[in-house]
Amino acid sequence: GAVVSQHPSWVICKSGTSVKIECRSLDFQATTMFWYRQFPKQSLMLMATSNEGSKATYEQGVEKDKFLINHASLTLSTLTVTSAHPEDSSFYICSAKSSASGRSSYNEQFFGPGTRLTVL
Amino acid sequence: AQSVTQLGSHVSVSEGALVLLRCNYSSSVPPYLFWYVQYPNQGLQLLLKYTSAATLVKGINGFEAEFKKSETSFHLTKPSAHMSDAAEYFCAVSKSGGATNKLIFGTGTLLAVQP
Repeated sequence: GAVVSQHPSWVICKSGTSVKIECRSLDFQATTMFWYRQFPKQSLMLMATSNEGSKATYEQGVEKDKFLINHASLTLSTLTVTSAHPEDSSFYICSAKSSASGRSSYNEQFFGPGTRLTVL
Repeated sequence: AQSVTQLGSHVSVSEGALVLLRCNYSSSVPPYLFWYVQYPNQGLQLLLKYTSAATLVKGINGFEAEFKKSETSFHLTKPSAHMSDAAEYFCAVSKSGGATNKLIFGTGTLLAVQP
């Protein structure tokens, strides 16, 4: 149980285009999903917290108009990188917290496999 | 504010040797602590977690960690390293309780296992 998928696993795009990344909780409902960015050989940096049915909460320094997050259902959150530039190239990882009370009490997050974005 | 510090960005051990990855935390409230493993180009997999129950926590793949409040530490150990343990390991802290508390990650420790 507690499987999170991401699609696509990798994407290459031209500068100026927009890219959408999907994060799905496959066998549980997730009221909260998180989006992280990881640069090579570095730790995960939290970009935003996504709550189902409400606006995402962005971390300081993350441009909300650049990284659009939508959490329209309890099993799906999307991250859209708008007008992507080479500096947006990174590994994007999502995680999801179960809405079940037992799991929520431990603040455990279940991570997706990540999406490698390369902007040319 | 909460934070974790992982001492040693790179650790190398011989196959069969003890693995010790260090993590110290800072938290003004009782913390939840986690160890995750990341293989190349993959997401994170939870190894184990401390949630204020037993201070010695056993996880998957033979790993365990001990919560020591007096030392504000949560070091990860494994008695005998396998080649398959080579990966990046992240320690993380979260506030106990709450619905949307964030995970704060350390900078990671890359474990190499020599044959």
